[in-house]
Amino acid sequence: DQQVKQNSPSLSVQEGRISILNCDYTNSMFDYFLWYKKYPAEGPTFLISISSIKDKNEDGRFTVFLNKSAKHLSLHIVPSQPGDSAVYFCAATKYFFGTDKLIFGTGTRLQVFP
Amino acid sequence: DAGVIQSPRHEVTEMGQEVTLRCKPISGHDYLFWYRQTMMRGLELLIYFNNNVPIDDSGMPEDRFSAKMPNASFSTLKIQPSEPRDSAVYFCASSLGPGQGSGNQPQHFGDGTRLSIL
Repeated sequence: DQQVKQNSPSLSVQEGRISILNCDYTNSMFDYFLWYKKYPAEGPTFLISISSIKDKNEDGRFTVFLNKSAKHLSLHIVPSQPGDSAVYFCAATKYFFGTDKLIFGTGTRLQVFP
Repeated sequence: DAGVIQSPRHEVTEMGQEVTLRCKPISGHDYLFWYRQTMMRGLELLIYFNNNVPIDDSGMPEDRFSAKMPNASFSTLKIQPSEPRDSAVYFCASSLGPGQGSGNQPQHFGDGTRLSIL
């Protein structure tokens, strides 16, 4: 049973436009959410996170939005650049319940074209 | 600074053989995680350790899989006997725990071992 779902396996966006990657979760106990980026032949690298006490977190071109009532989060990249082309994984955890276990989605492959 | 180091990067072996994957975490990190990545299931947590002690191995698929962490700088994931369905990319990650006073610390991943069982 996938507790964290990324329903779009791929997304193609033109350079300079906004990229929006979506993630849904089913477990209401999740209280901390992270996005990781992965290039081919490399391990995932941490990008940005958000706690359930917030609904938005920004870091430069990257913004994560959390809608707890809908159990939905999204990652916005503005403006998109060719170097953003990678697989993006959404992850969730029950941090405040004392676990360090991350549950990952299946990933969305983003391609940014000129 | 050195990141998480995994070896080998690629492993091709025949069904039934024993496979050992190795991981060196970032120095000072007290959590170590083993993941498997497949197209169908994405990144799945297999097992994780805290201070060299296994905390949760509920993701280990079968008794053919075992993991050890004999000291703070080394861990192994072993598959014996290996089967073609074990073919995947295996990642090791390490992190500081929440007890470090810095909030939830992100996990740092190695570059993975691509395992192919023929």
